[in-house]
Amino acid sequence: KQEVTQIPAALSVPEGENLVLNCSFTDSAIYNLQWFRQDPGKGLTSLLLIQSSQREQTSGRLNASLDKSSGRSTLYIAASQPGDSATYLCAVTSGANSKLTFGKGITLSVRP
Amino acid sequence: GAGVSQSPSNKVTEKGKDVELRCDPISGHTALYWYRQSLGQGLEFLIYFQGNSAPDKSGLPSDRFSAERTGGSVSTLTIQRTQQEDSAVYLCASSPRQSFSGNTIYFGEGSWLTVV
Repeated sequence: KQEVTQIPAALSVPEGENLVLNCSFTDSAIYNLQWFRQDPGKGLTSLLLIQSSQREQTSGRLNASLDKSSGRSTLYIAASQPGDSATYLCAVTSGANSKLTFGKGITLSVRP
Repeated sequence: GAGVSQSPSNKVTEKGKDVELRCDPISGHTALYWYRQSLGQGLEFLIYFQGNSAPDKSGLPSDRFSAERTGGSVSTLTIQRTQQEDSAVYLCASSPRQSFSGNTIYFGEGSWLTVV
């Protein structure tokens, strides 16, 4: 059974800091990995999708890396801003029915 | 174009009553997912529809939960004889094809269910 872990559960940083959010998964036989953002009271917004054959994806200040063999992914946020405050969830697609399994998320707070 | 639409956005119901939650996926999306998010918990997979294939119901927590998808579009999640532990946000998502194809999955804003 695929399990996705995100530690720590919460993180608080000052504005301008570069930061790394970690994600690990137990079954390396994945099709892809996605990072999502969730604002309070809202649904999820996809930030980056990395196919299993890829090593990283970049979008603006965000860079996501994937090491499938070790079951790890990181989301790098450069020059963090208060508007980056949200919960960041990692999810992997695996299994015969391509089920998406989520971690519990990391709640990020960027202090002005 | 419209995103994934869910209704109601908020629902308060009495324990023991039945509730129906509706999801309108993005037009043309063949894959549809239901997830549940309880306070402080991650997203829990409930059910997955892909085109005309038999749905993957492996995540439904009990036989009080059921879902259907009519005409390959709108989906309804029904919870019978609601219990307080059913209180959660129910999120619907759709994707152009199966997620393993690498298509981004789009989420609705959820239906917030409170059972009192």
